[in-house]
Amino acid sequence: DAGVIQSPRHEVTEMGQEVTLRCKPISGHNSLFWYRQTMMRGLELLIYFNNNVPIDDSGMPEDRFSAKMPNASFSTLKIQPSEPRDSAVYFCASTPSLVTYEQYFGPGTRLTVT
Amino acid sequence: AQKITQTQPGMFVQEKEAVTLDCTYDTSDPSYGLFWYKQPSSGEMIFLIYQGSYDQQNATEGRYSLNFQKARKSANLVISASQLGDSAMYFCAMREGGTSYGKLTFGQGTILTVHP
Repeated sequence: DAGVIQSPRHEVTEMGQEVTLRCKPISGHNSLFWYRQTMMRGLELLIYFNNNVPIDDSGMPEDRFSAKMPNASFSTLKIQPSEPRDSAVYFCASTPSLVTYEQYFGPGTRLTVT
Repeated sequence: AQKITQTQPGMFVQEKEAVTLDCTYDTSDPSYGLFWYKQPSSGEMIFLIYQGSYDQQNATEGRYSLNFQKARKSANLVISASQLGDSAMYFCAMREGGTSYGKLTFGQGTILTVHP
């Protein structure tokens, strides 16, 4: 079975450009999480969805960040406009439900904003 | 206040020896879960082990065991018979109940290096 799929794996963009990160959760998983990992701040939860509905977006750093989950098999994280401090690895994770304890992580997208 | 504290930025162990990675947590929620994840240099996050706050026994998964001391609020990971492939970053994480159910909070991580 395919795991969590993220694209692109690497993204290099210039400051001010729009960036869209994509995630396909494992089929049948109803909960999806977006994390950001940096050296300074470690691994932080940005937002999570349950049954396509955002449950907690308190980790989204500012209005430049937005996330959507239009259906059970696809989610996007958009940064507009991007800034150099957004450079990080962005992980998507999914789990069958919020009561399931294991979250399955995707390979991550390494974003570099110059 | 930090919810998850990993005080060891780096640890070294000889191959085939056991090693303990420390994790303390802070919560007033009676229902919570504790997790350990491994992140090798390739970057992926690999789930290792889970302990629920009401579990009576310490969790074990192969060479991994979780030393759960509830009164001390500690959830240390013990890796027995270390292998070179165990060299990685290890993260402790907690899930609390209530309105934040499902949300994981991670510690800063411990880099483990296994020497031959």
